[in-house]
Amino acid sequence: DVQLVESGGGLVQPGGSLRLSCAASGFSVSSKYMSWVRQAPGKGLEWVSVIYSGGNTNYADSVKGRVTISRDISKNTLYFQMNSLRAEDTAVYYCVRLVYYYYYVDVWGKGTTVTVSS
Amino acid sequence: QSVLTQPPSVSGAPGQSISISCTGSSSNIGASYDVHWYKQLPGTAPKLLIYANANRPSGVPDRFSGSKSGTSASLAITGLQAEDEADYYCQSYDSSLSVHVVFGGGTKLTVL
Repeated sequence: DVQLVESGGGLVQPGGSLRLSCAASGFSVSSKYMSWVRQAPGKGLEWVSVIYSGGNTNYADSVKGRVTISRDISKNTLYFQMNSLRAEDTAVYYCVRLVYYYYYVDVWGKGTTVTVSS
Repeated sequence: QSVLTQPPSVSGAPGQSISISCTGSSSNIGASYDVHWYKQLPGTAPKLLIYANANRPSGVPDRFSGSKSGTSASLAITGLQAEDEADYYCQSYDSSLSVHVVFGGGTKLTVL
């Protein structure tokens, strides 16, 4: 069964760091386009980062320079390292799988909540 | 302000039909990139509703349909049901953005 399970969210102080994990099952993260999508409380969806099957990465301007998307093929896990966190990074973070060429999401995780507050 | 513009809200009575628009530009929908639609219930992850402009994944009722023309796309829902009440998001590819993929701002559908 194809599944994505996020972990690593929590409460962190402004300026702090957090690493989100996304364990995949039923497919290999290295063979797909994988992304992180976030949703601030009461707000819409925001695409923040993508890692392509070849390993190239892209980041939204709102997080560029502060975050890193990566994957561990041996653990079949996607990661999202977030540094210099700000209050506006507070959101539910979804790990998602993209369909090649069309760029739509065919698999969503349940999400993990990140709260940045002192 | 999202690159793809959706109305904040729409409403309709049970059995009626509604449509939700998604307006883009020459760097996304107008550049012939496909549009996809998602439905999100409160407290849950979004679910794919329409992909590649007009295609329904397995299990999505044919009451839901999508279309695209020029720099805009639309999601139509016929025979409204109470369980259709949710947030709906369009999504496309944008060649001008660093992350390339973009969502609309979302539309809250209320079934009266």
